[in-house]
Amino acid sequence: DVKVTQSSRYLVKRTGEKVFLECVQDMDHENMFWYRQDPGLGLRLIYFSYDVKMKEKGDIPEGYSVSREKKERFSLILESASTNQTSMYLCASSFSGLGDTDTQYFGPGTRLTVL
Amino acid sequence: SQQGEEDPQALSIQEGENATMNCSYKTSINNLQWYRQNSGRGLVHLILIRSNEREKHSGRLRVTLDTSKKSSSLLITASRAADTASYFCATSQYGNKLVFGAGTILRVKS
Repeated sequence: DVKVTQSSRYLVKRTGEKVFLECVQDMDHENMFWYRQDPGLGLRLIYFSYDVKMKEKGDIPEGYSVSREKKERFSLILESASTNQTSMYLCASSFSGLGDTDTQYFGPGTRLTVL
Repeated sequence: SQQGEEDPQALSIQEGENATMNCSYKTSINNLQWYRQNSGRGLVHLILIRSNEREKHSGRLRVTLDTSKKSSSLLITASRAADTASYFCATSQYGNKLVFGAGTILRVKS
């Protein structure tokens, strides 16, 4: 079974702090994604990566950056946390094969509160 | 940008009844997927239907796709309390990105 793990289930940070959210997958997937989930808005894509050291902006990249130094690990960085970044953050990974089998596998989520 | 829009936003039914959720989208797609999310957890993939398919079954799940109407439906038959969750449709347009809708909250009462 594919396993996607996230470093924390719950995190409380103060405004202005630098925050690191870590995600690790064990299935050698090429693609990794970071989403945030807010009530009534569904999942919104922040950043994604197709390969090591490669990143692409999603729909809401402002205030975030990412790092992918190793294939299995994708980090989301909040350079200076703000209260409007309080949210559930979900990491996902998928295989980059031919065709349309782009099922995504999700981690359990990190609920971040910025005070 | 949201591609899929689920309807209804919330659904409450009795155990044993069927639950139907609908999803509409705006642009052409490669495939459409349904995911389930239990409270406060990550999403779990349920079923994928390709753009050239009209219906697909998996256990108690039945998914239909009407590309002319740009809509899909998810039917859960003989629902159980354990089916209580949020259900999301997600569309794949190109590459490996998915675009998710806002979800339907299903509550199954025992």
